[in-house]
Amino acid sequence: GAVVSQHPSRVICKSGTSVKIECRSLDFQATTMFWYRQFPKQSLMLMATSNEGSKATYEQGVEKDKFLINHASLTLSTLTVTSAHPEDSSFYICSAKGQVALREQYFGPGTRLTVT
Amino acid sequence: AQSVTQLDSQVPVFEEAPVELRCNYSSSVSVYLFWYVQYPNQGLQLLLKYLSGSTLVKGINGFEAEFNKSQTSFHLRKPSVHISDTAEYFCALDSSYKLIFGSGTRLLVRP
Repeated sequence: GAVVSQHPSRVICKSGTSVKIECRSLDFQATTMFWYRQFPKQSLMLMATSNEGSKATYEQGVEKDKFLINHASLTLSTLTVTSAHPEDSSFYICSAKGQVALREQYFGPGTRLTVT
Repeated sequence: AQSVTQLDSQVPVFEEAPVELRCNYSSSVSVYLFWYVQYPNQGLQLLLKYLSGSTLVKGINGFEAEFNKSQTSFHLRKPSVHISDTAEYFCALDSSYKLIFGSGTRLLVRP
């Protein structure tokens, strides 16, 4: 149980375009989802927290107009990188929490974004 | 402020040898601690967690960790490692239902 998927696993896009990443909880309802960014050989940096049906809360220094997060249902959250630039290239990982074990996060497999 | 420190960026060890990956934390409130493993180009997998109760926590793949409040530590141990244990290991602290991660320790198991 507690499986989280991400799609796509890899994406290459051209500078200036937008790309959407999906995060789904497959076998539980995720009241809260988190989006992380990870640079090579570095730790995870929390970008934002999203609760179903409400606006995402962004961490300090994260541009909310650039990284649009939508949590429209209890099983789906999306991250849209708008007007992507090469410096946005990174590994993006989502995680989800259910309604019972509130201190446990279940992680997706990650999405490798490359902006050319 | 709450924080997690993993002092060792890389730990090389021979196969079948024991290993300890160190994690120290700083927190002024109740402590909830986790160890995750990350294989290349993959997400994180939970190895074990400390929420309350026994300070010795056993996890998957033969790993265990001990919560030491006086030392503010949560070191991860395995008595005998395998080549397949080669991966990145992250210690994390729950802070108001968000995770604060350490910088990670790369465990490199050599034959």
